[in-house]
Amino acid sequence: KAGVTQTPRYLIKTRGQQVTLSCSPISGHRSVSWYQQTPGQGLQFLFEYFSETQRNKGNFPGRFSGRQFSNSRSEMNVSTLELGDSALYLCASSLEYSSSYEQYFGPGTRLTVT
Amino acid sequence: QQQVKQSPQSLIVQKGGISIINCAYENTAFDYFPWYQQFPGKGPALLIAIRPDVSEKKEGRFTISFNKSAKQFSLHIMDSQPGDSATYFCAASSPFTGTASKLTFGTGTRLQVTL
Repeated sequence: KAGVTQTPRYLIKTRGQQVTLSCSPISGHRSVSWYQQTPGQGLQFLFEYFSETQRNKGNFPGRFSGRQFSNSRSEMNVSTLELGDSALYLCASSLEYSSSYEQYFGPGTRLTVT
Repeated sequence: QQQVKQSPQSLIVQKGGISIINCAYENTAFDYFPWYQQFPGKGPALLIAIRPDVSEKKEGRFTISFNKSAKQFSLHIMDSQPGDSATYFCAASSPFTGTASKLTFGTGTRLQVTL
């Protein structure tokens, strides 16, 4: 069974631009969560989607948004990029919202904002 | 109250030795505690996880010890191997509050296993 895939793997953007990252969960997994990983702040939860609905949200500004499609694939968008948004963005999938706890992470998208 | 504190920040262990990483939490609503292993350039990989209804869980060379009263849990890697050299993260979440997927991570421990 294929793992979580994320595209693109690397991205360079300029401050003020916006970016969209994509995540395809493990086949059969319906919940997708997004995390930001930085050397300073570590791994921080952004949001979780299940059945095309945002179920949980972390403490990030409204510039960070996401969505989930009917096939469980998810995208996250960051608008008006800031230098501090440079990070590894990780997507994780799990079998079903709140009834299966195991989350499996993808390789991440490395975003660099210049 | 959402914080998970992890120590040590880095650890050097000889091949064949035991690696021990500790975590402590404050939020008593946490009741799911996974450990993840991350290699450079890769996403975190789930190693082993525990619920508070047991005090210990073992999978191969990896063991989680859990102390509910002290709100602490630890990862033991027996017979540590150079291939175990990676960064390890503890985490916690609250499935019964509907936030199973909202993992709160520790700050990570960089493990180096020397020959």
